[in-house]
Amino acid sequence: GAGVSQTPSNKVTEKGKYVELRCDPISGHTALYWYRQSLGQGPEFLIYFQGTGAADDSGLPNDRFFAVRPEGSVSTLKIQRTERGDSAVYLCASSLGAGGETQYFGPGTRLLVL
Amino acid sequence: DQQVKQNSPSLSVQEGRISILNCDYTNSMFDYFLWYKKYPAEGPTFLISISSIKDKNEDGRFTVFLNKSAKHLSLHIVPSQPGDSAVYFCAAKEYNQGGKLIFGQGTELSVKP
Repeated sequence: GAGVSQTPSNKVTEKGKYVELRCDPISGHTALYWYRQSLGQGPEFLIYFQGTGAADDSGLPNDRFFAVRPEGSVSTLKIQRTERGDSAVYLCASSLGAGGETQYFGPGTRLLVL
Repeated sequence: DQQVKQNSPSLSVQEGRISILNCDYTNSMFDYFLWYKKYPAEGPTFLISISSIKDKNEDGRFTVFLNKSAKHLSLHIVPSQPGDSAVYFCAAKEYNQGGKLIFGQGTELSVKP
């Protein structure tokens, strides 16, 4: 079956612009996660959804970052007034539930802020 | 504050030999540990996991050992194959924190033919 997909695969933007990153989870997975991976580091947790609601958004670095999952499936990560430090690979994962279930990752969106 | 640490950025092993990847953690509330494997331009792929109530879990060529008193876990790959060459991430989940994973920095394994 189809895995987690993320679009776009690459995004180049200018400092100060707004970007949206999309994640399509595996069908039937109720939990969805966003992570950010900087060069030479492991993925860093941003936020996770259980259904439509954000169950834990403690990893969002500041109020420029926002994520939604209005129908409990597709999610969009939104970054306002982008900064060069936002450049990273943004990874999305989904799992059947939010307990110990395996998280399946998408290929990521590589964001470059010039 | 790095709660999960992989102190070796890289490891090189001969094909057929054992690969041992190490991971240390500081948070005693972690109750579940996982290893993920990542190829370039792909997302991490789940490899193997272990609950804090166990000290060993084996799946084919992969074995994870957990030493809770030392707050240390390791992944053993025997025998190593060239296709195992990838970046390996250790991750941990805290009790009652849902599915939120805390990752280490990763170790790049190179298995030479």
